[in-house]
Amino acid sequence: DTAVSQTPKYLVTQMGNDKSIKCEQNLGHDTMYWYKQDSKKFLKIMFSYNNKELIINETVPNRFSPKSPDKAHLNLHINSLELGDSAVYFCASSQASGDLEQYFGPGTRLTVT
Amino acid sequence: AQKITQTQPGMFVQEKEAVTLDCTYDTSDQSYGLFWYKQPSSGEMIFLIYQGSYDEQNATEGRYSLNFQKARKSANLVISASQLGDSAMYFCAILRTGNQFYFGTGTSLTVIP
Repeated sequence: DTAVSQTPKYLVTQMGNDKSIKCEQNLGHDTMYWYKQDSKKFLKIMFSYNNKELIINETVPNRFSPKSPDKAHLNLHINSLELGDSAVYFCASSQASGDLEQYFGPGTRLTVT
Repeated sequence: AQKITQTQPGMFVQEKEAVTLDCTYDTSDQSYGLFWYKQPSSGEMIFLIYQGSYDEQNATEGRYSLNFQKARKSANLVISASQLGDSAMYFCAILRTGNQFYFGTGTSLTVIP
């Protein structure tokens, strides 16, 4: 069974559109994260949720809005997509906030044309 | 300011040889954690090894060991007996106070048969 899953795996869309990426973990973890990996492979944390509550919100445009309906899910909604949003987005989870080990999803490759 | 620095964008190693991937960090926190992750070409992020700032002994996990030099603020990853499957991107990361993860820019390792 997949521990952390993301859908879709690939997403190609035009500028100005709104899109969502879904993330689910079946590990019973309390904390979930979203990371953005740019074309130079640099990984940057975007958001962190602990038990459905936002605990980290790095400087990202407010076009990005995370939604956590329950502690097993953390979805990322992006409004008015821009070319610079093209990247691989990783979801991750850990047992507790700041826990030793984060389990990553397979990533979603977003291409904005 | 860059919190994690990986100065080697690309490394090559002969199969069965050992290789050291460099990582230096910048923090004034007393308590922090250092991590290494592997990202193969398939894209997933795989946790390799963890070192706590108060751990006196260097962490080891199978063929992976972390050469932790606190005074120099370095946390180099040593991979012994390299295998072809070790070819991947390797990311160093720090967990700082406030539960903030910061990743380095990564090192691409290629194992030559």
